[in-house]
Amino acid sequence: AQTVTQSQPEMSVQEAETVTLSCTYDTSESDYYLFWYKQPPSRQMILVIRQEAYKQQNATENRFSVNFQKAAKSFSLKISDSQLGDAAMYFCAYRGGTASKLTFGTGTRLQVTL
Amino acid sequence: EAQVTQNPRYLITVTGKKLTVTCSQNMNHEYMSWYRQDPGLGLRQIYYSMNVEVTDKGDVPEGYKVSRKEKRNFPLILESPSPNQTSLYFCASSRYGLNTEAFFGQGTRLTVV
Repeated sequence: AQTVTQSQPEMSVQEAETVTLSCTYDTSESDYYLFWYKQPPSRQMILVIRQEAYKQQNATENRFSVNFQKAAKSFSLKISDSQLGDAAMYFCAYRGGTASKLTFGTGTRLQVTL
Repeated sequence: EAQVTQNPRYLITVTGKKLTVTCSQNMNHEYMSWYRQDPGLGLRQIYYSMNVEVTDKGDVPEGYKVSRKEKRNFPLILESPSPNQTSLYFCASSRYGLNTEAFFGQGTRLTVV
């Protein structure tokens, strides 16, 4: 079974600084996607970024980028120029094989301070 | 506007009283699923459906039922709720495929006393 591990329950970053959230996963499948979701206090789940396992180039969406290390099964999220609105719970998720099921990590709560 | 609508957003009920949480999507998605979110455990899949009349168990199906009579609707049924089902519930829908974006409802905060 696939597993997703987020080892940082909480992180803190100062406004305008950069922070990296860690995620590792375990799978025996060759074709899969990885996702980062943001959950602000409103509880809405918002897709931040996605990465295909076959693509070596790391995905980037504005201030959000990933460091995808396939051999190490690592998928970290970097947030640059952090803003107060980035404060949220962040979930790493995996989808692979023939399923559309998302397997989530336990989440990292990000606090942004002035 | 593309959306997944869940109702109710908040619900307090008593042990054993049957309840239904509704979920509806307007994107003609084939795949729908229910997750529960608990502190320290992330989101775990309860049930999923690949299309009308096709449903299957996820990772934590005990105590739940679902049905998919129409493509747009995927209700979650708790026939005899217990306190350990107190949780935050999310419905999600997507097209079938690895890279498709999953759209989530607003969440239902359920408390069983």
